Amino acid sequence: DTGVSQDPRHKITKRGQNVTFRCDPISEHNRLYWYRQTLGQGPEFLTYFQNEAQLEKSRLLSDRFSAERPKGSFSTLEIQRTEQGDSAMYLCASSHFGSNRKTYEQYFGPGTRLTVT
Amino acid sequence: AQKVTQAQTEISVVEKEDVTLDCVYETRDTTYYLFWYKQPPSGELVFLIRRNSFDEQNEISGRYSWNFQKSTSSFNFTITASQVVDSAVYFCALTTQGAQKLVFGQGTRLTINP
Repeated sequence: DTGVSQDPRHKITKRGQNVTFRCDPISEHNRLYWYRQTLGQGPEFLTYFQNEAQLEKSRLLSDRFSAERPKGSFSTLEIQRTEQGDSAMYLCASSHFGSNRKTYEQYFGPGTRLTVT
Repeated sequence: AQKVTQAQTEISVVEKEDVTLDCVYETRDTTYYLFWYKQPPSGELVFLIRRNSFDEQNEISGRYSWNFQKSTSSFNFTITASQVVDSAVYFCALTTQGAQKLVFGQGTRLTINP
């Protein structure tokens, strides 16, 4: 079991550019989450998928943000027309959700640190 | 709405001291889950423990122990005989049966000095 991986680990971009991040969850996990963490704060929920369906989006996810999980495996998070306020660590997590509807822990990847200049 | 409060922003102790990190939560749901995560300087959140609202038994894992008290809505974390490797930011988090997403506290930065 290789854990959750994210790519790239660091991204520096100029204001106004588009960026895309990738997350590969733990292979047997059907749920995938995106969070954002700014300096000195706890992670904040952005969105999550069960298989390929996006089930919830936070109000933090403005229309410049879009996330996909096309085949229910890896996911991408795209930010269009980046702003300096988008600078943060973007964390991906995955978990198992079964027919028993039991809540299991989420396992996090190493994150993608975005710096918008 | 759910909320998690970690009132201790930073704690600094000398190695081998015991230290307790406080966590207070708010939720109106009767079925909920509490978590602790560790975030070392490398940045990756490491899962430590999950507790559901129907299980108030305290748990011990090596030098780590957790005290869950529904009466005070608290889920505190104690490290016994702390070590330098315990230095990290620790987050308490909450989710409910219906919500699934994690709500995190602001974290407590723990520094263990040799």
